[in-house]
Amino acid sequence: NAGVMQNPRHLVRRRGQEARLRCSPMKGHSHVYWYRQLPEEGLKFMVYLQKENIIDESGMPKERFSAEFPKEGPSILRIQQVVRGDSAAYFCASSPPPRTGELFFGEGSRLTVL
Amino acid sequence: DQQVKQNSPSLSVQEGRISILNCDYTNSMFDYFLWYKKYPAEGPTFLISISSIKDKNEDGRFTVFLNKSAKHLSLHIVPSQPGDSAVYFCAASETWGGGATNKLIFGTGTLLAVQP
Repeated sequence: NAGVMQNPRHLVRRRGQEARLRCSPMKGHSHVYWYRQLPEEGLKFMVYLQKENIIDESGMPKERFSAEFPKEGPSILRIQQVVRGDSAAYFCASSPPPRTGELFFGEGSRLTVL
Repeated sequence: DQQVKQNSPSLSVQEGRISILNCDYTNSMFDYFLWYKKYPAEGPTFLISISSIKDKNEDGRFTVFLNKSAKHLSLHIVPSQPGDSAVYFCAASETWGGGATNKLIFGTGTLLAVQP
């Protein structure tokens, strides 16, 4: 499968636990984007990363959320001390080096906080 | 601050007729616009795009129209098919710092239901 791979597809956490969502971009893509879709809402930009660099994190909540895209391995979106309001679908997308063009999305990771 | 707006949450159309989905934007710096289609429990998939230097782009049954002065774009699907039933998201991006960006700002989506 040459597409954007996200795992886990579904994750259940209790309040106060940590959630880690992983994303492997499409082959040849060096840029990763994370979006969040809350129930009944559109996709909200969270963060844009290149390998080992955060390019734009203007959409990330100031606390508890962090993202990385290491030199080796997938991109990770980490949510510490989850709260019920973090329940959402988290989508990862990738692209080749930036140009005006489309993003290729994964199937999403659905986080449920009990 | 919703920079990309889709004011119709849902639209129902008969099979074979035209579907018209609308999108408005407020940021005059947006210069590239895209439509994505999303089925339940799947990620969005790219459908069609248009640059701000054009006012129309066509791809098979799908046509996107851009009216820059009105900051409005629309997606036309003709003829509509039951398999087109999905949520359609409008998205926009801007160049900044002299370079292009793939950071997309999405609307809230329109659920299209094509009735057989």
